[in-house]
Amino acid sequence: DTGVSQNPRHKITKRGQNVTFRCDPISEHNRLYWYRQTLGQGPEFLTYFQNEAQLEKSRLLSDRFSAERPKGSFSTLEIQRTEQGDSAMYLCASSLVGPYNEQFFGPGTRLTVL
Amino acid sequence: DAKTTQPNSMESNEEEPVHLPCNHSTISGTDYIHWYRQLPSQGPEYVIHGLTSNVNNRMASLAIAEDRKSSTLILHRATLRDAAVYYCILRDTGTASKLTFGTGTRLQVTL
Repeated sequence: DTGVSQNPRHKITKRGQNVTFRCDPISEHNRLYWYRQTLGQGPEFLTYFQNEAQLEKSRLLSDRFSAERPKGSFSTLEIQRTEQGDSAMYLCASSLVGPYNEQFFGPGTRLTVL
Repeated sequence: DAKTTQPNSMESNEEEPVHLPCNHSTISGTDYIHWYRQLPSQGPEYVIHGLTSNVNNRMASLAIAEDRKSSTLILHRATLRDAAVYYCILRDTGTASKLTFGTGTRLQVTL
């Protein structure tokens, strides 16, 4: 069990560019979550999948953000036309289905938009 | 998810017990109390959770008030590796999916 992995770990981009992040969850976990964390704040929920279905999206997930989990395994989070306000740590987590099953987090992808 | 209130920061000496408080006066009967922590430069990690009774695991203990309006995470012997931000989170069993983090308590552990 290698845990949740995220790539890349760091991304620096210019304003207006598109970026894509990848998350590989723990293999038997059918739920996958994306969170965003800015400096000094706790993580904020963006969206989650159960298998390949996207079941909930936060209002934080503007039209420029899109997430997919095409085969119910890995997931990608794309940000189009990045803005400086998108600079943050993007965290991925996975879990089994259940009301109190713990979520396992990856190390995050730190995005810096210049 | 219901709101929780935690102190912004706490300090502890190494090898001493630490009691991290959390107030959740608007907790509902179906809310579980979860604790996660985030070590520097890492993603959050699960610590413990409970509903009504006190809980123990290898990392910590969770003491829940009889009226469930507050709880305390207990680290029995703090080490330098326990320095982290600790988050108290309520999760409704009926709609449980996302975690709603507050700003947490930053624990500093000194020699």
